[in-house]
Amino acid sequence: GAGVSQSPRYKVAKRGQDVALRCDPISGHVSLFWYQQALGQGPEFLTYFQNEAQLDKSGLPSDRFFAERPEGSVSTLKIQRTQQEDSAVYLCASSLQITGELFFGEGSRLTVL
Amino acid sequence: GDSVTQMEGPVTLSEEAFLTINCTYTATGYPSLFWYVQYPGEGLQLLLKATKADDKGSNKGFEATYRKETTSFHLEKGSVQVSDSAVYFCALSDRAGQFYFGTGTSLTVIP
Repeated sequence: GAGVSQSPRYKVAKRGQDVALRCDPISGHVSLFWYQQALGQGPEFLTYFQNEAQLDKSGLPSDRFFAERPEGSVSTLKIQRTQQEDSAVYLCASSLQITGELFFGEGSRLTVL
Repeated sequence: GDSVTQMEGPVTLSEEAFLTINCTYTATGYPSLFWYVQYPGEGLQLLLKATKADDKGSNKGFEATYRKETTSFHLEKGSVQVSDSAVYFCALSDRAGQFYFGTGTSLTVIP
């Protein structure tokens, strides 16, 4: 596609539910990032892929968070046993090269009740 | 570690006023610096960038100069428009490609 596509745009989950957020990056982009953006804050790094390799997952807040990019294209961020503090916008961004400009999707807004 | 500090908002200006949003950074090495903008209901998009000291990034009337001596990358525009109302994020990218964002500055321009 022309840009980074994320789905769903909005997700409401009950506490304890598992959720999966999908990111479809720009075709050919090597790098893919996941960020968490709380209300009124800047994006906070979660994890980073170069092709299918997850090079850095130091930003994942707990072992309930898991990300994968098995074929080096589409990525999924999974959150198990969601908690209220997981409520945020989850942003995906991709880049053609390691140190290039980031192109962001519109984000997935997760609300945990 | 690397980090970015930017001016807190919100900022409210009248149309045609001069805009400055301050941004300073802390980094080891020589990062690339960026300003991203988020219009209401949209994703973040690149506004401008500078990759080395003394470079000036510019786009849509906005400018920012990479100042190594003051570790700053302040965003400026000489005459803002209502359509510039958005949230502005300063960011840096280190040599490993890791990005660090500021907390964002909300700008509202009133007619």
